[in-house]
Amino acid sequence: ILNVEQSPQSLHVQEGDSTNFTCSFPSSNFYALHWYRWETAKSPEALFVMTLNGDEKKKGRISATLNTKEGYSYLYIKGSQPEDSATYLCAFPKSSGDKLTFGTGTRLAVRP
Amino acid sequence: DGGITQSPKYLFRKEGQNVTLSCEQNLNHDAMYWYRQDPGQGLRLIYYSQIVNDFQKGDIAEGYSVSREKKESFPLTVTSAQKNPTAFYLCASKGLLMNTEAFFGQGTRLTVV
Repeated sequence: ILNVEQSPQSLHVQEGDSTNFTCSFPSSNFYALHWYRWETAKSPEALFVMTLNGDEKKKGRISATLNTKEGYSYLYIKGSQPEDSATYLCAFPKSSGDKLTFGTGTRLAVRP
Repeated sequence: DGGITQSPKYLFRKEGQNVTLSCEQNLNHDAMYWYRQDPGQGLRLIYYSQIVNDFQKGDIAEGYSVSREKKESFPLTVTSAQKNPTAFYLCASKGLLMNTEAFFGQGTRLTVV
């Protein structure tokens, strides 16, 4: 993998369902992996910044894991709510760590 | 309140004109970024800067120019050489440590008429 890739591109779930999506990134020269949530008509906001292999982070019903050796991170949402509807972006700093490159995002829609 | 401000929110430009988008931050961040988003696509990096008076091209720098004369400000000029400038532009800033997050402005929607 040369760049950041996210899957799936979009996801529709029912309220209460748990869901997860994937961010894949180059496993060489790892610096950090960022997750952002971008709600419609708002600015993207950071969820997690992960730097260590095996890292697990949690914020309420949202959690993320990181595997730097194989180059992937999972974002989990437990018991999805309509307010979780947003585009979830991951970002991977390249080179010195300051060229912050984003994936295309996963668009999540949660039906009430 | 600390934050990052982009202006204007909406901008209309005639073909052949240059236009400058403003981005100001008072977070004391060293790094600043400009991204472009097109419908159905992710954020693509145009330019970024790690320090005053220095900046680097991102993945789609052709037709754009930037300056970083002050730490707080990172304006983006969309030149007439940019063949398809209609898009949503986002500015971001970040500290230089690896574990720091980026903060984003509200964005500028540029339309060429």
